[in-house]
Amino acid sequence: EIVLTQSPGTLSLSPGERATLSCRASQSVSGNAVAWYQQRPGQAPRLLIYGPSNRATGIPDRFRGSGSGTDFTLTLSRLEPEDSAVYYCQHYGRSPSFGGGTKVEIK
Amino acid sequence: QVQLVQSGAEVKKPGASVKVTCKTSGYIFSNYYIHWVRQAPGQGLEWMGLINPSDGSATYAQRFQGRVTLTRDTSATTVYMELSSLRSEDTAVYYCARGVLTGYYQPSGYWGQGTLVTVSA
Repeated sequence: EIVLTQSPGTLSLSPGERATLSCRASQSVSGNAVAWYQQRPGQAPRLLIYGPSNRATGIPDRFRGSGSGTDFTLTLSRLEPEDSAVYYCQHYGRSPSFGGGTKVEIK
Repeated sequence: QVQLVQSGAEVKKPGASVKVTCKTSGYIFSNYYIHWVRQAPGQGLEWMGLINPSDGSATYAQRFQGRVTLTRDTSATTVYMELSSLRSEDTAVYYCARGVLTGYYQPSGYWGQGTLVTVSA
């Protein structure tokens, strides 16, 4: 099983700033099968990015995914208050797994 | 539109089993794998397994092997997740989720609303 390590644990930023979230895999991810999800309190996760740079339907271009091999990044530009959430990366190939999450707080 | 609607909250005693329902609609049921993911209170997401609704074959995460069973009813376009030998650590919200596209290796683009399972003596 691929272990995903996300950093930082928490980000506290102001509206309009940019957030950079990291996801590191314990081994190379075949086909770059990495996705990112946003989860607000009390809600189900929402798919943001997959493949690792394709935006899911309805996701604004402020959200950008990049990376390959073992290192992947989610960048949130021009932060808005509603971006406050926990963000998870996922390896969705054989034996899927999730990272531990990064909490983004908007001041 | 694609919808996944789960059954309501459950309270179970240690050692018991629970069966959670995921009723799907708005798409061709047999074409998309269904995943199950759980989330303990205040914790992260944990993948449990997936089922191919076309033939009923299932794959389980190693840590749940022998305790979880995924089944489906094609006529009802419904998937079921049964977890046995419950312990307090199984208290969590359980989600079903559908792949974005057809095929095995897909991220989950559609999610149920979640079902809280509480295990308590």
